[in-house]
Amino acid sequence: GQQVMQIPQYQHVQEGEDFTTYCNSSTTLSNIQWYKQRPGGHPVFLIQLVKSGEVKKQKRLTFQFGEAKKNSSLHITATQTTDVGTYFCAGPNTGTASKLTFGTGTRLQVTL
Amino acid sequence: DAGVTQSPTHLIKTRGQHVTLRCSPISGHKSVSWYQQVLGQGPQFIFQYYEKEERGRGNFPDRFSARQFPNYSSELNVNALLLGDSALYLCASSLQGWLDTQYFGPGTRLTVL
Repeated sequence: GQQVMQIPQYQHVQEGEDFTTYCNSSTTLSNIQWYKQRPGGHPVFLIQLVKSGEVKKQKRLTFQFGEAKKNSSLHITATQTTDVGTYFCAGPNTGTASKLTFGTGTRLQVTL
Repeated sequence: DAGVTQSPTHLIKTRGQHVTLRCSPISGHKSVSWYQQVLGQGPQFIFQYYEKEERGRGNFPDRFSARQFPNYSSELNVNALLLGDSALYLCASSLQGWLDTQYFGPGTRLTVL
């Protein structure tokens, strides 16, 4: 079945440093969605990318969708303590079981 | 507008018992999906319903069942609870289904003793 892996599993940075998480799917995706989950909270939608090679920015966050539509990345410039949480990518599975498959997640810790 | 609501917030059950979790989607959303999130892992898809019909089922045993009501609210039922069913159960609503943005509720934390 479809697998969505993310690296790294965990990253600890100092405030002001940059952060990147990478998402790789075993199958081609029609779109990729990114979610953020704060400790003790629930996943919150960040963005959806649809087109091959698409790049979208949200303030300090930059999202990319790979040319082959099998990978994606999220880059945060100059991290802040409010960026703490786990970042998940998620891709639709167009197989027999229509579902959204979440990645393994990258937990970001930011310290002063 | 109100977001996705779930009840109860927390629940403690013992092995072998049955549990019903409830979800109300965002007004206007016709699709509800259920996910199980074990501590330290990503959400795992359980079911998706659209217009009261099951549109997708994840790799979960038959002890898990769900339904969607005419007002688009949904229930997740789990029978014969096992210790391994302890998790955060998340409900997500969307306009039409899994290709759309999923708006998650706060979840129900289920502990099975």
